[in-house]
Amino acid sequence: EVQLVQSGAEVKKPGESLKISCKGSGYTFSIYWIAWVRQMPGKGLEWMGIIYPGDSDTKYSPSFQGQVIMSVDKSINTAYLQWSSLKASDTAKYYCTTQAQHSSSRYMWFDPWGQGTQVTVSS
Amino acid sequence: EIVMTQSPGTLSVSPGESATLSCRASQSVSSNLAWYQQKPGQAPRLLIFGASIRATGIPDRFSGSGSGTEFTLTISSLQSEDFAVYYCQQYDNWPPLTFGGGTKVEIK
Repeated sequence: EVQLVQSGAEVKKPGESLKISCKGSGYTFSIYWIAWVRQMPGKGLEWMGIIYPGDSDTKYSPSFQGQVIMSVDKSINTAYLQWSSLKASDTAKYYCTTQAQHSSSRYMWFDPWGQGTQVTVSS
Repeated sequence: EIVMTQSPGTLSVSPGESATLSCRASQSVSSNLAWYQQKPGQAPRLLIFGASIRATGIPDRFSGSGSGTEFTLTISSLQSEDFAVYYCQQYDNWPPLTFGGGTKVEIK
């Protein structure tokens, strides 16, 4: 069974750094893109960007370029999303999701999704 | 960037009735459109890809149609577990991949 398991909830202060994780299992992690999606409280889904575990090729949404860094350690089937200086406006739930195995790298939809990591930034 | 617009924002439907949700793209995305369902407190779940192909395990009361810029998700005979928020997502022209703002289907 393809599964993505994300790290637990975080409570941080503005200005602090943070790295959350997403571990894949049940499939060949290195050959399927991993995307990150933000969901602010009571709001919809926002696509942040995508990373290819095989070579760490990364594509960011313009809205998130320079705000976060995506990385991956394919030796342990884990993708990461990190911030160097959190803001209160980063408070949200963050989901990782993987390219559906029957989709292509050009035309991809996402399945399954991780359970989400709640990030709360408050002084 | 392709902007996806969903309507209505909220749809009130009685159990057993059908629901029709719309998704419009700011430019043609061919049939490169997916639909996701999100229940409160849960992660999104893939329902439809290729505008009309049901994902594995999705009941046939869910159907998708459309191409180009106009798409529809129809849920026939709504069950209690179908009350949720539904999102469309285009994957024709990216980055960025873009989602619609969502349609909440609530119990009337």
